[in-house]
Amino acid sequence: DTEVTQTPKHLVMGMTNKKSLKCEQHMGHRAMYWYKQKAKKPPELMFVYSYEKLSINESVPSRFSPECPNSSLLNLHLHALQPEDSALYLCASSQRYSGAYNEQFFGPGTRLTVL
Amino acid sequence: DAKTTQPPSMDCAEGRAANLPCNHSTISGNEYVYWYRQIHSQGPQYIIHGLKNNETNEMASLIITEDRKSSTLILPHATLRDTAVYYCIVRVESYGQNFVFGPGTRLSVLP
Repeated sequence: DTEVTQTPKHLVMGMTNKKSLKCEQHMGHRAMYWYKQKAKKPPELMFVYSYEKLSINESVPSRFSPECPNSSLLNLHLHALQPEDSALYLCASSQRYSGAYNEQFFGPGTRLTVL
Repeated sequence: DAKTTQPPSMDCAEGRAANLPCNHSTISGNEYVYWYRQIHSQGPQYIIHGLKNNETNEMASLIITEDRKSSTLILPHATLRDTAVYYCIVRVESYGQNFVFGPGTRLSVLP
């Protein structure tokens, strides 16, 4: 299984809602990532988990809350989002965060619309 | 900030080789060159990476100049399915170094 899966594919939420994005991989990778991509822009890193511990938080607002319950799963909890948070949210994984063999495998993304 | 510059767009005829350039004039000795592509509405896809030697895999070839200040990704026989945004990224293989995506090159393969 060489796939990163993300659910849901599409999500529409109001500014007062709480929702979660889910990412899963079964490649035995120990590093997982969340990226945000606005239309016609490149992906921007949000968070990095290495061995289930949060290693990098790129100054992301607290309305985004990541969680890594185990080595295969990565969640992104959303609360009180703003319309400008509407974007494609991408999950990725790699064997490790540093060293060789850390090319990242990306999921198809969740397209989020905040009304 | 991204450490690479790429042309914003390129066209290539179907069946011909697509040569995508990348300038990374400030690259340091321990930084690898990575290439990814993103087909419309999909997640980025890893293509290839290298340090100083030329590399080839089933998808593409990577040619890195001797001074390592630039590189070229070669798709030997482009197909319509290769239409995508191609990103060139430089990264140190050490803890704390993240992938920083630049704007990339939008490659259009034309029939």
